[in-house]
Amino acid sequence: KAGVTQTPRYLIKTRGQQVTLSCSPISGHRSVSWYQQTPGQGLQFLFEYFSETQRNKGNFPGRFSGRQFSNSRSEMNVSTLELGDSALYLCASSLGAGAKGPTNEKLFFGSGTQLSVL
Amino acid sequence: GESVGLHLPTLSVQEGDNSIINCAYSNSASDYFIWYKQESGKGPQFIIDIRSNMDKRQGQRVTVLLNKTVKHLSLQIAATQPGDSAVYFCAENIRHAGGTSYGKLTFGQGTILTVHP
Repeated sequence: KAGVTQTPRYLIKTRGQQVTLSCSPISGHRSVSWYQQTPGQGLQFLFEYFSETQRNKGNFPGRFSGRQFSNSRSEMNVSTLELGDSALYLCASSLGAGAKGPTNEKLFFGSGTQLSVL
Repeated sequence: GESVGLHLPTLSVQEGDNSIINCAYSNSASDYFIWYKQESGKGPQFIIDIRSNMDKRQGQRVTVLLNKTVKHLSLQIAATQPGDSAVYFCAENIRHAGGTSYGKLTFGQGTILTVHP
């Protein structure tokens, strides 16, 4: 079974630009979550999507947005990039609601997209 | 201003030794805990999980202990190998009505494990 796939692997942008990152979850997983990882703040939750709906959101500005498609694939967008947005952006998938028990909560992560803002 | 990086705890062991990595969690309402391993250039990899109604769970070479009284979690790795060198994170979550945490895990700062041959 293929794991979580994120593209691109690396990205370099300049301040003020926008960027779109893509995530394909594990087959059968309906929930996709996004996290930001930086040396200063560690791993922080951005948002979660299930059935094309955002169900949960972390404490990030509105410049960070996302969406999920009917095949559960997800994209996140960051507009008006700032230097502080440089980070590893991780996508994780899980079964999502409806399946109770540990397997419902277990998040499987992709390798991430390393974004550098110059 | 300049951001200050997290100073991660480090643990250095010899190959073959047992390793114990500790984690203090913050929310007494958390009912599910996971340990992840992250190698350089990769995303976090699931190691083992435990529910709050348990105090111990064993996997292959790994054991997780949960002490809810003091909100403490530990990961024990038996016969540590050089391939175990990585950053280890504990994560906690709270399940809401409907049985889901809506994808949100709260991660600890991580511990760097270095295994010397």
